[in-house]
Amino acid sequence: EDQVTQSPEALRLQEGESSSLNCSYTVSGLRGLFWYRQDPGKGPEFLFTLYSAGEEKEKERLKATLTKKESFLHITAPKPEDSATYLCAVQNNQGGKLIFGQGTELSVKP
Amino acid sequence: EAQVTQNPRYLITVTGKKLTVTCSQNMNHEYMSWYRQDPGLGLRQIYYSMNVEVTDKGDVPEGYKVSRKEKRNFPLILESPSPNQTSLYFCAIGDRATGELFFGEGSRLTVL
Repeated sequence: EDQVTQSPEALRLQEGESSSLNCSYTVSGLRGLFWYRQDPGKGPEFLFTLYSAGEEKEKERLKATLTKKESFLHITAPKPEDSATYLCAVQNNQGGKLIFGQGTELSVKP
Repeated sequence: EAQVTQNPRYLITVTGKKLTVTCSQNMNHEYMSWYRQDPGLGLRQIYYSMNVEVTDKGDVPEGYKVSRKEKRNFPLILESPSPNQTSLYFCAIGDRATGELFFGEGSRLTVL
């Protein structure tokens, strides 16, 4: 069964304190791994798609990487506006539905 | 920019009273989907539609119905709501192949 586990559940950082969020997955043939950001009371917002091990994508202070078993979302010198819940999702190579993890709630204090 | 409009945004209802949550898009995306989000359970797919008149069950379809009579609209129907359907509901559109989905603002439903 396809599964996604994110850790930690919650992460508190000081502004400027870099860290990483983890997304471990099991899937019957990976078609894609996706990162979303969700602000309180809002719908998730698409960030990245990663397709194969070794691939990396960057956007501002965020960098997503992918291995055969997990993905990391690295946050460099975070700012308070980076505070949000970050969701990871996978899709198998049958083109099936997206399976979401439960998310990591990130809080960045000034 | 893709826009997904859900209505109502907030609703309190009682057990057994039929309700419909509407979803409309301003793009021409073929793929539309409904999710529910619950604490500790994450986002779970209820139903999805690949095109007009084509719908399929997701992970948690029990107690829900959908229809796709036209491309831009994808309503979620709760024929006889129960308290376990109290949740935050999201409609999403986009390209399932790339995983780039655009989500609506959400509809918070409470069933008493």
